[in-house]
Amino acid sequence: AQTVTQSQPEMSVQEAETVTLSCTYDTSESDYYLFWYKQPPSRQMILVIRQEAYKQQNATENRFSVNFQKAAKSFSLKISDSQLGDAAMYFCAYRRVSGNTPLVFGKGTRLSVIA
Amino acid sequence: NAGVTQTPKFQVLKTGQSMTLQCAQDMNHNSMYWYRQDPGMGLRLIYYSASEGTTDKGEVPNGYNVSRLNKREFSLRLESAAPSQTSVYFCASSEGGIDNQPQHFGDGTRLSIL
Repeated sequence: AQTVTQSQPEMSVQEAETVTLSCTYDTSESDYYLFWYKQPPSRQMILVIRQEAYKQQNATENRFSVNFQKAAKSFSLKISDSQLGDAAMYFCAYRRVSGNTPLVFGKGTRLSVIA
Repeated sequence: NAGVTQTPKFQVLKTGQSMTLQCAQDMNHNSMYWYRQDPGMGLRLIYYSASEGTTDKGEVPNGYNVSRLNKREFSLRLESAAPSQTSVYFCASSEGGIDNQPQHFGDGTRLSIL
């Protein structure tokens, strides 16, 4: 079974600085999708960024980018120019490519942003 | 755009009571999901419905039943609530068949069982 590990239960960053959240996963599949979701105190789950495993280029969405290392099964999220609104729980998630398979989530990293 | 709507938002039950959590989506998505979120555990899949008329067990299905009433609605039932089912429950939907599409989540139902 696939597993997703987020080894940092909590992280903090100064406003305007850069922070990287770690995620590793275990799978025997060669093709799959990876996601980062943000959950602010409101409890909404918001998609931050996605990565297709067959793409070598790292995904980028404005201040958010990933470092996808397929061989190492690593998928870290970098947040640049951190803002107070970035404070949230961040979940890494994995999905197989075959059928309508559900996401497998990591346990999350709580990010605090210090003014 | 309503997206995914869950009702109720909060509920307190006594042990042994039954309850149905409702979920509806207006995005014409094929797939729907129920998760529970507990502190330090992330989101764990309870059941999902890949398409109308089908349901499958997830990681933690015991104590729950689901019904995919139609394409829009996917309900989660607790037949005899137990304190271990105290959690925040999330419903989600996705396009299905298009694997890289994200899931859209409801705002959650906070359920406490005394």
